[in-house]
Amino acid sequence: GENVEQHPSTLSVQEGDSAVIKCTYSDSASNYFPWYKQELGKGPQLIIDIRSNVGEKKDQRIAVTLNKTAKHFSLHITETQPEDSAVYFCAASIGDSNYQLIWGAGTKLIIKP
Amino acid sequence: KAGVTQTPRYLIKTRGQQVTLSCSPISGHRSVSWYQQTPGQGLQFLFEYFSETQRNKGNFPGRFSGRQFSNSRSEMNVSTLELGDSALYLCASSSSGGGNTIYFGEGSWLTVV
Repeated sequence: GENVEQHPSTLSVQEGDSAVIKCTYSDSASNYFPWYKQELGKGPQLIIDIRSNVGEKKDQRIAVTLNKTAKHFSLHITETQPEDSAVYFCAASIGDSNYQLIWGAGTKLIIKP
Repeated sequence: KAGVTQTPRYLIKTRGQQVTLSCSPISGHRSVSWYQQTPGQGLQFLFEYFSETQRNKGNFPGRFSGRQFSNSRSEMNVSTLELGDSALYLCASSSSGGGNTIYFGEGSWLTVV
């Protein structure tokens, strides 16, 4: 079946450095790729998303890049801050079904002071 | 506007009992999906409802069931609880599902003893 692989499972970076999380998807028809951040004890929150007709999208310190040929997309966080510490999930739509997502296993991001 | 509301937030049940969790989606949202999240694990898709119809179902046993009402509110039920059912159950809503942003609630923490 379709799946999304997310790496690394844990990422520890020094405050102020950049963090990159990568996801690979299997369904070539996937056209929607959101990233969610989950803080301890809370539900996941959307932080950025990208559609297949765009190669890159930025929102302040956060950016997502998409390589449709290689079927992978990445989350980039620059100038990391302590509040960036959380679990990050990527997801990919199942084809263009418009109503189901396949989720990555999550990455625990630790920002060291 | 109000976010996704889940009740109860915390509950403890005994093995063999059943439990019902409730979810009120964001006003105007017609798609509601449910996820199970165990400690250190990713988001496991349970099912998704749209306009009172189950559109998709994950790979969970029949003990897990759900429904959606005409006002889009949704409930999920787990019968004959097992210790392994202890988890955070997350509800998410969107206007039509996938491709549209999904918004998560804070979740219901279920502990089975």
